[in-house]
Amino acid sequence: NAGVTQTPKFRVLKTGQSMTLLCAQDMNHEYMYWYRQDPGMGLRLIHYSVGEGTTAKGEVPDGYNVSRLKKQNFLLGLESAAPSQTSVYFCASSSGITQYFGPGTRLLVL
Amino acid sequence: SQQGEEDPQALSIQEGENATMNCSYKTSINNLQWYRQNSGRGLVHLILIRSNEREKHSGRLRVTLDTSKKSSSLLITASRAADTASYFCAAYSGAGSYQLTFGKGTKLSVIP
Repeated sequence: NAGVTQTPKFRVLKTGQSMTLLCAQDMNHEYMYWYRQDPGMGLRLIHYSVGEGTTAKGEVPDGYNVSRLKKQNFLLGLESAAPSQTSVYFCASSSGITQYFGPGTRLLVL
Repeated sequence: SQQGEEDPQALSIQEGENATMNCSYKTSINNLQWYRQNSGRGLVHLILIRSNEREKHSGRLRVTLDTSKKSSSLLITASRAADTASYFCAAYSGAGSYQLTFGKGTKLSVIP
């Protein structure tokens, strides 16, 4: 039982490049979330999903897209990376109130 | 916008001492959660307190909730070096909301 896993762990991008972050959970949770964490800040919600095939915008959705084609996977895409998207990205899943977090993906955009 | 704001931002104590962190929030809540984040790791859920509860215990953790003051506190008793981490309070944005909003956290350092 791996819980929530994230791929990759670390990535460096050049401005304008695109990439996809993968989140996978093996707990059969309905709800999945993508957050970003910046120094001195708490976590801010980017997008979330309340079930397979559904997505919704969070607090800071601009510049990101998401897809939930399978219940266990939640993908976060950056179409044209910007330096302001340098951050640590966390995925989480939940079946109710408590959220379970992945280990994070550290992204550096140059 | 952030639902919770922790105080203090940083706290340094000796091993064996108690650590108290406070959280204030803005809107009415059904429950409030506390999470811990070790350096370089994801967040781990510690404890949840519901709006009709005033106090809750879990091992060395004690959480209080004062809905009239919109505040909560997390007490860690007999702290250990392994308690060194950042602690966040979090609450959902409103009734039926799926959006869990976090405060900026309290960074706790426990000195052996």
